Amino acid sequence: QSALTQPPSVSGSPGQSVTISCTGTSSDVGRYNRVSWYQQPPGTAPKLMIYEVSNRPSGVPDRFSGSKSGNTASLTISGLQAEDEADYYCSSSTADSTFVFGGGTKLTVL
Amino acid sequence: QVQLVESGGGVVQPGRSLRLSCTASGFILSGYTMHWVRQAPGKGLEWVALVSYDGTEKYYVDSVKGRFTISRDNSKNTLYLQMNSLRGDDTAVYYCAREKRATSGQNWFDPWGQGTLVTVSS
Repeated sequence: QSALTQPPSVSGSPGQSVTISCTGTSSDVGRYNRVSWYQQPPGTAPKLMIYEVSNRPSGVPDRFSGSKSGNTASLTISGLQAEDEADYYCSSSTADSTFVFGGGTKLTVL
Repeated sequence: QVQLVESGGGVVQPGRSLRLSCTASGFILSGYTMHWVRQAPGKGLEWVALVSYDGTEKYYVDSVKGRFTISRDNSKNTLYLQMNSLRGDDTAVYYCAREKRATSGQNWFDPWGQGTLVTVSS
C-alpha cells in the first residue's frame, strides 16, 4: 500500500501548459486503466477531474486531459487559468482490492 | 442532487472511540460501493476503507486494520466508520466518497462529502 509518486509542486503562467506525473507499479497504475485525478482547492473537498485514465466528467473543461504509459499516468492542464491553482491527486485501485493515492501536487499559477 | 454529508467528528482522547456517519441523498446507497478517505492536517489524501454495496466485502488500509470498522445501513442510506483505539496519527479530516464503476471494471470516487474533522488529543 505505498503511495503513488507525484512531484510536490509544479507551476506555470496563465495560458501555459503543465503536466503532473503519477508513478506507481505494475500492481496498480500499470495493471489497470483505473487511474483517476482529483482537484482540491484549499479548504475544500476533492473533486473528480479525470477517470479511467483519460475521461472527463461533464462540466470539467477540455483543458484537462489524462494519459498513461506503463506505470506512469499524467495529467496535463493546458491554457492555465488562475482558478486552476489547487492541489491535485492521482488515485488507482490495486491488485489486492484496495486503493492508493499519490502524495499530491501543488499547482501554482504564476 | 447527489450529495454526501459526514457527521460525528470531534475531539477525542487517545485510546477512545468515535463513530462517523455519512448520509447519502439524491441516489440509492445500496447500489454502490462506498469508501472513507482521510487527510491529516497539511498532508495528502489517504484511502482508509471500503465496503461493497451489500456490506459483504470490506477492505482496509494496513494502519487501521483491527481498529476501524466500516459498515452501512442501506435502509437508512447511511455509511459508518467505527474508530476504536484512536491514536494521534488518526487526526484528520475524514471524507466519505461514492465509488463509480464502469462495466469494464474501471472505478473512481465521485462525489465526495465535505468531510468531518477528527482530532485525537489529550
